Amino acid sequence: AQRVTQPEKLLSVFKGAPVELKCNYSYSGSPELFWYVQYSRQRLQLLLRHISRESIKGFTADLNKGETSFHLKKPFAQEEDSAMYYCARTDNYGQNFVFGPGTRLSVLP
Amino acid sequence: DTEVTQTPKHLVMGMTNKKSLKCEQHMGHRAMYWYKQKAKKPPELMFVYSYEKLSINESVPSRFSPECPNSSLLNLHLHALQPEDSALYLCASSQERWHDGNIQYFGAGTRLSVL
Repeated sequence: AQRVTQPEKLLSVFKGAPVELKCNYSYSGSPELFWYVQYSRQRLQLLLRHISRESIKGFTADLNKGETSFHLKKPFAQEEDSAMYYCARTDNYGQNFVFGPGTRLSVLP
Repeated sequence: DTEVTQTPKHLVMGMTNKKSLKCEQHMGHRAMYWYKQKAKKPPELMFVYSYEKLSINESVPSRFSPECPNSSLLNLHLHALQPEDSALYLCASSQERWHDGNIQYFGAGTRLSVL
């Protein structure tokens, strides 16, 4: 079964501190990895996808196939980053799409 | 228009009722999805439609019946639900199915309570 793990249910950091939300996935060919975010009272939306290699709102994520990880990082957290973050993946045939359990990020003032 | 619109926002139904959830998008997307999200859990995929044809059914009970009348609309017909089916039902759409990194756009969801 395709699996995505996010070991932290809740992560609290102070404003201005670096933040890293961990994501590991089960190996299966060439998956496609995503980070989705849900801010309070807003709908789920895409934050990053690994094929784009982009930086959104200061966040970056690098796919590490050796460690089967796709950790989300930001050097200086802001209060508005507080939200629920889901790592997600497809399998290499595009037949399956699975969300990780999610990490709630709380950025303290 | 870059929104996925779901109606109703809230729905309360009895176990013998028949109701439908509606999802609409006008972005020209050809793939549409239904997810179920229980409290404090991630969304779980239920159905995928690609070019108006059902392409994935994740072993969902037959009391949930999806329908895609056209490329902009996706319905979920509900009949004889159980209290454990109470959840937030999310609709999403993407240009094509999720391979090649296609972005899924999510609706705000319908919060369903089964009494």
